[in-house]
Amino acid sequence: GAVVSQHPSWVICKSGTSVKIECRSLDFQATTMFWYRQFPKQSLMLMATSNEGSKATYEQGVEKDKFLINHASLTLSTLTVTSAHPEDSSFYICSLTGTGLWTQYFGPGTRLLVL
Amino acid sequence: GIQVEQSPPDLILQEGANSTLRCNFSDSVNNLQWFHQNPWGQLINLFYIPSGTKQNGRLSATTVATERYSLLYISSSQTTDSGVYFCAVTIQGAQKLVFGQGTRLTINP
Repeated sequence: GAVVSQHPSWVICKSGTSVKIECRSLDFQATTMFWYRQFPKQSLMLMATSNEGSKATYEQGVEKDKFLINHASLTLSTLTVTSAHPEDSSFYICSLTGTGLWTQYFGPGTRLLVL
Repeated sequence: GIQVEQSPPDLILQEGANSTLRCNFSDSVNNLQWFHQNPWGQLINLFYIPSGTKQNGRLSATTVATERYSLLYISSSQTTDSGVYFCAVTIQGAQKLVFGQGTRLTINP
């Protein structure tokens, strides 16, 4: 499998600020990365799919100008929540896949609290 | 789009008990997986099982693709089995996983 890290693991910020979350593949070159959000006691909701070097593909209803995704290399993808508001508070999880992997491997998640 | 339904939504058991979790899906799938989300939020791959039966220790899974359901069996439950179990599917030609709503399992000592 693949080992995936996320940083930070949790973050508290004030309303109106921007927050960047990093997702790193520690031992695998990930051609595709995914970003999910999960509200308490709910399922995972896919936000966007990103391929290295290409623009991300966003799911219906996800604002691409609010959730900026950059997949700059085969080992790093970032999600920036711009002008965060309390309703953006959630658990954000990344996953990755690539050649030779039969499934997605998930990071440990980032808890975001916007005050 | 495809619908994935899991049952039961919640399950509370005593340590040592056995359990069966069910996943129904509304259309043909290319891939079906079971995940365990531990209390800290980490998702762990349990099974990749588009069809047939697989076993891994106390856990086993069966998917009957023609009838569009999958079952996850947990035997001799331990407190560390607590968490949320998700079923997720992909359809032909797509990479993205569609998750069910999960079954929240609580194992009491």
